[in-house]
Parts: sequence; structure tokens; C-alpha cells
Amino acid sequence: EIVLTQSPGTLSLSPGERATLSCRASQSVTSSFLAWYQHKPGQAPRLLIYGASSRATGIPDRFSGSGSGKDFTLTISTLEPEDSAVYYCQQYGSSSLTFGGGTKVEIK
Amino acid sequence: QVQLVQSGAEVKKPRSSVKVSCKASGGTFSAYSISWVRQAPGQGLEWMGGIIPLFGSTNYPQKFQGRVTITADMSTSTTYMELRSLTPEDTAVYYCARCDRSGWYYFEDWGQGTLVTVSS
Repeated sequence: EIVLTQSPGTLSLSPGERATLSCRASQSVTSSFLAWYQHKPGQAPRLLIYGASSRATGIPDRFSGSGSGKDFTLTISTLEPEDSAVYYCQQYGSSSLTFGGGTKVEIK
Repeated sequence: QVQLVQSGAEVKKPRSSVKVSCKASGGTFSAYSISWVRQAPGQGLEWMGGIIPLFGSTNYPQKFQGRVTITADMSTSTTYMELRSLTPEDTAVYYCARCDRSGWYYFEDWGQGTLVTVSS
């Protein structure tokens, strides 16, 4: 099973700032099969990024993904108040799917 | 876009079982896979397994093998997740999630979630 470790656990930033979230895999993720989700309390998770860097339908371009192999990054270029949420990475390079532990983004 | 509508909240006793449903509307039910993901209080997301309705094939992580059964009814476009031998640690919100192809990938659509509470 591929273990995904996300850091930091919590990120506290002001509107307009840049957020950089990390996801590190215990082994290389095949074909960059990595996705990112945004999860707000009381709502279902929302797909942001798939294939490490492709934005899902309707996702603002302030969200971007990068990386390959074991190291992946989600960047929110200019934080908006509505970006307050927990962000999860998920790998699908292995048929046993796994999620990271999440990074909470707080907006000051 | 496919909509997934789940059954309502459940309260169960330890050692019992729960069965949660997820009905899909829109799209072609057989053309994609449905997985189940849970979130315990204060915890992250955890994949419990999934099914490809067209083939009836299932995929479970080792942690849940033998305790979870996921089935699909093509006639009603509904997927079911049954979890047995419940303990308080199974208290969680359970989501169904759809992958837009027949396999194990990322999830484009999610159900609204079903709270399952396990308590004596």
C-alpha cells in the first residue's frame, strides 16, 4: 500500500497570500496518478486536480498541481476566504487507493 | 453530471451490520466505478473499496476485506455498501464516489454522505 504523507498539518495565511501544500508518497506514484480534493465541513469532497496537474471542470486557475515520482504539490496562488478547507491528496497509481492525512488551510 | 443520492443516517449497536445505498442518476451506470470512502470524526478520508457494475468486479483494501461487501443493482442504478461486525470506531460519515471510467482512479462526483453512529 502506498502511504501518502501531507505537510504541513495546518496552514494559516491571509487572503491574497500563496499556499503551498505538500504530498509525499512512500513509493513512486505510477504515471503521476495523483489527485487533490478540497473538503469543507458538512459538504462532500470536491475534486480539484487529477493526473498531478490537470484541473477538474470548473476549478479556478488559482489552483494548480505539480510534481512526479514521490513528491507532489498543490499551490493556491492567491488565497480567497472561501478556500478555507481541508485538502487531501489521493493516489490511484496502485489499485489499492489511498488518501493522505490532509492539510487544513485556515484563512486569517 | 452524475448525481449520487445516499440513504439516510443510521444508528447501530456494536456487533451489528449496516447497509448504505447510493442511487445514481444521469450518465451510464455501467460505464463507471463506484467506491465508498469514509471519514471518522476528526480523521481523514479512508477508501473502503469499490465496484465496477458492468462486470460486478470488486476491489477492497486489505483492512476491510471480509468485513465489507459492495454490490450493485443495474436495474435501479444503485450501489450498496454493507459493513459487518460494527464497533464504535466505525462511527463515521460514509460517502459513495464515482470514477468516470471502469477502474480505480480519482472521484469526480460524490454522494452527500451518510452518518453511521455505532453506540450501545
